[in-house]
Amino acid sequence: SQTIHQWPATLVQPVGSPLSLECTVEGTSNPNLYWYRQAAGRGLQLLFYSVGIGQISSEVPQNLSASRPQDRQFILSSKKLLLSDSGFYLCAWSTTVGQPQHFGDGTRLSIL
Amino acid sequence: RKEVEQDPGPFNVPEGATVAFNCTYSNSASQSFFWYRQDCRKEPKLLMSVYSSGNEDGRFTAQLNRASQYISLLIRDSKLSDSATYLCVVNIAGGTSYGKLTFGQGTILTVHP
Repeated sequence: SQTIHQWPATLVQPVGSPLSLECTVEGTSNPNLYWYRQAAGRGLQLLFYSVGIGQISSEVPQNLSASRPQDRQFILSSKKLLLSDSGFYLCAWSTTVGQPQHFGDGTRLSIL
Repeated sequence: RKEVEQDPGPFNVPEGATVAFNCTYSNSASQSFFWYRQDCRKEPKLLMSVYSSGNEDGRFTAQLNRASQYISLLIRDSKLSDSATYLCVVNIAGGTSYGKLTFGQGTILTVHP
């Protein structure tokens, strides 16, 4: 069966520090991968999605970036975090277009 | 108009009650529809897909009305464990929205003893 791993579960970072969140999927090949952010009390906002290695589509302008160095690995990064980057970051995968997405446990990021 | 719109609630119902949530979507090209549930401070989890003919999974029934562009979720015999936020989710295939899910803001349900 397929599983998705996301870490760390919680993270507290100072403003201006870098960020790297990692997500890996097991049990499937060539998944579609997604990064979402959910601000407190708000809905899910799609940040990036990838349909293959090295292929990244960005949904909103921001100081975050994403990379997919391997088929089942998706990384969310920032060189300099802003206070507004606080939130609940979720990685998700799906087999293909139109299929439901399955989420990792999420990373709760607090910026101080 | 929001792409996916839900009544945020909260809905407070006693155990055993029947509760229904509605969701409207703006893009008539939407292809796939889902209901997710999200517990407090947890990730969203797929509850059920929504098919054109309507579908049922135990106490949960989902309906799709393409003409009116709305989706519904009916929960019968509510349990305390049903307390969560229910997210209406729509997928638009094709064009610049290819493969992406659009999430509603969610409807909060609290089931009390």
